[in-house]
Amino acid sequence: GENVEQHPSTLSVQEGDSAVIKCTYSDSASNYFPWYKQELGKGPQLIIDIRSNVGEKKDQRIAVTLNKTAKHFSLHITETQPEDSAVYFCAAPSNFGNEKLTFGTGTRLTIIP
Amino acid sequence: DSGVTQTPKHLITATGQRVTLRCSPRSGDLSVYWYQQSLDQGLQFLIQYYNGEERAKGNILERFSAQQFPDLHSELNLSSLELGDSALYFCASSVSHTGELFFGEGSRLTVL
Repeated sequence: GENVEQHPSTLSVQEGDSAVIKCTYSDSASNYFPWYKQELGKGPQLIIDIRSNVGEKKDQRIAVTLNKTAKHFSLHITETQPEDSAVYFCAAPSNFGNEKLTFGTGTRLTIIP
Repeated sequence: DSGVTQTPKHLITATGQRVTLRCSPRSGDLSVYWYQQSLDQGLQFLIQYYNGEERAKGNILERFSAQQFPDLHSELNLSSLELGDSALYFCASSVSHTGELFFGEGSRLTVL
């Protein structure tokens, strides 16, 4: 099955600075890599995803990069704002397909005003 | 609001007891997933149903069982509860093959 490792487990950045969270995966057949954001008291919510036919995808202040050779992908948040404070999870599909995801252990991001 | 409804939001019970968690997926979603999130832990996949049939099973204990009903709602049954079963239990749903999961707000189970 898929093994997903996520670093760092906690991250504090000054408001306005950038934040980067990294994940590695084990199954070279994986082709779909989502990132979920979990705010306090809520369920995780998809914020961005990338498929293996592209190396980078951007959505306003959020971007994800994928290196299939090295089997790692990263979340980049620029111009961080207090509302970016949350726990972020990366995920990769299992051999059951894209529907069954294996999640990383999460990164608690704190934006310091 | 994700459109996924979970009840109850909070549940406190004693060791050895049995509880049932309920999930109503988004309208039109055929797949339902159950995940367990323990304190400071990631999301552990338990089980997936698609249109009433079990589709994938993760690290689900034998004391736990689930089912998806004809109206597509799902229930997760946890029996012979232990202290270590205290966790947040999330239900998610998806339209098959899109990849995006829509999570409910979770059911927080406390076993005393």
